[in-house]
Amino acid sequence: QVQLQESGPGLVKPSQTLSLTCTVTGGSINSGDYYWTWIRQPPGKGLEWIGYIYYSGTTWYSPSLTSRLTISIDTSENQFSLSLSSVTAADTAVYYCARRNKIVLGRSFDFWGQGTLVTVSS
Amino acid sequence: DIQMTQSPSSLSASVGDKVTITCRTSQSISNYLNWYQQKPGKAPKLLIYAVSSLQSGVPSRFSGSGSGTDFTLTIASLEPEDFATYYCQQSSITPPSLGQGTKLEIK
Repeated sequence: QVQLQESGPGLVKPSQTLSLTCTVTGGSINSGDYYWTWIRQPPGKGLEWIGYIYYSGTTWYSPSLTSRLTISIDTSENQFSLSLSSVTAADTAVYYCARRNKIVLGRSFDFWGQGTLVTVSS
Repeated sequence: DIQMTQSPSSLSASVGDKVTITCRTSQSISNYLNWYQQKPGKAPKLLIYAVSSLQSGVPSRFSGSGSGTDFTLTIASLEPEDFATYYCQQSSITPPSLGQGTKLEIK
């Protein structure tokens, strides 16, 4: 059974960079069958797709975040990471990592991490 | 980008009721429509993929239908554990977009 686990600081100061890592266990991240995804949810609000990365390193980013966003992958550690620069209070959210199927299961997000709350505050 | 419109945004119902949640997309997405259930403090859980296929382990009281731009999630007879927020999501094109959610509450 695949499991994903987010890790990183829970508090980030405004204008600084938010950095999170997702560790995948129970399966290899070095697979052409999936896109490794970040999704966030501001408190009390809906889900927002941030971006995803393929095992090859190819990335797709949300148009609203692309200027501040970097997603990277480390297949040797079975991890992928998120870096969001110049954060403001609007970036306060629970951040989820998830696995998106490339072709099967309707290209759905079938496995999710438990989520980690990141608060942007001085 | 494809816009998603879910309705209603909230819904009160009783155990045993049949409920239907609607999702409309701004353009045709073929059958690339998925549904998720989220309980407070938890990650979303995949319920239905490709419009009508139940994810493994999901009870058969959940069903999905639709095509093109109009889709529905139906719960045939509500159980206490079904009270949650439900999201639709299109996977036809990138960026994938999600509905704003439907909060299903106990009447």
